[in-house]
Amino acid sequence: AQKVTQAQTEISVVEKEDVTLDCVYETRDTTYYLFWYKQPPSGELVFLIRRNSFDEQNEISGRYSWNFQKSTSSFNFTITASQVVDSAVYFCALSEATGNTPLVFGKGTRLSVIA
Amino acid sequence: DTGVSQDPRHKITKRGQNVTFRCDPISEHNRLYWYRQTLGQGPEFLTYFQNEAQLEKSRLLSDRFSAERPKGSFSTLEIQRTEQGDSAMYLCASRSVTGELFFGEGSRLTVL
Repeated sequence: AQKVTQAQTEISVVEKEDVTLDCVYETRDTTYYLFWYKQPPSGELVFLIRRNSFDEQNEISGRYSWNFQKSTSSFNFTITASQVVDSAVYFCALSEATGNTPLVFGKGTRLSVIA
Repeated sequence: DTGVSQDPRHKITKRGQNVTFRCDPISEHNRLYWYRQTLGQGPEFLTYFQNEAQLEKSRLLSDRFSAERPKGSFSTLEIQRTEQGDSAMYLCASRSVTGELFFGEGSRLTVL
């Protein structure tokens, strides 16, 4: 069975601080996808990134970066120089790589960035 | 707007009434998913379609829940004899060929 654990329920940081959101996953699949989504107060889930399990290169997109470590089954998300607009709930998710299975989501981490 | 659209955005109903939600996916996506999200939780998978075929429905919460996608385009999710515990956000998403799931804004159900 697949499982995603986001141990941090809520995090508060002061603007311009860096923050890392943790994600640990469990799967028996040999190939799989990992995802991060952002859910701002407006409620719509916004896709941030998809990572394939055979690609362990870290990725950077502007102030966002992702660290994928297969050895520890983790896919952590770092926001550098956080801004108030980053305040949202962030979800990590997992699916088997053929795309024939649904995404399994963690419970989310609520990030509050204080000005 | 070429994103996923859901209707209605909000529905308030009395216990025991039936409700139906509609989802229009991104047109080139043939896979469509329904999720439910309650306060403080992540989205919980309910069912999904590939074209008009419903490939997984064992996760629907009870036999009061049903979904259809008759022509492989839009989909409906119906809840019969609603209960207060059905109050939640019902999310629809469509999936690209590269695996990303794109969500609509959701339909919030309140059962009084």
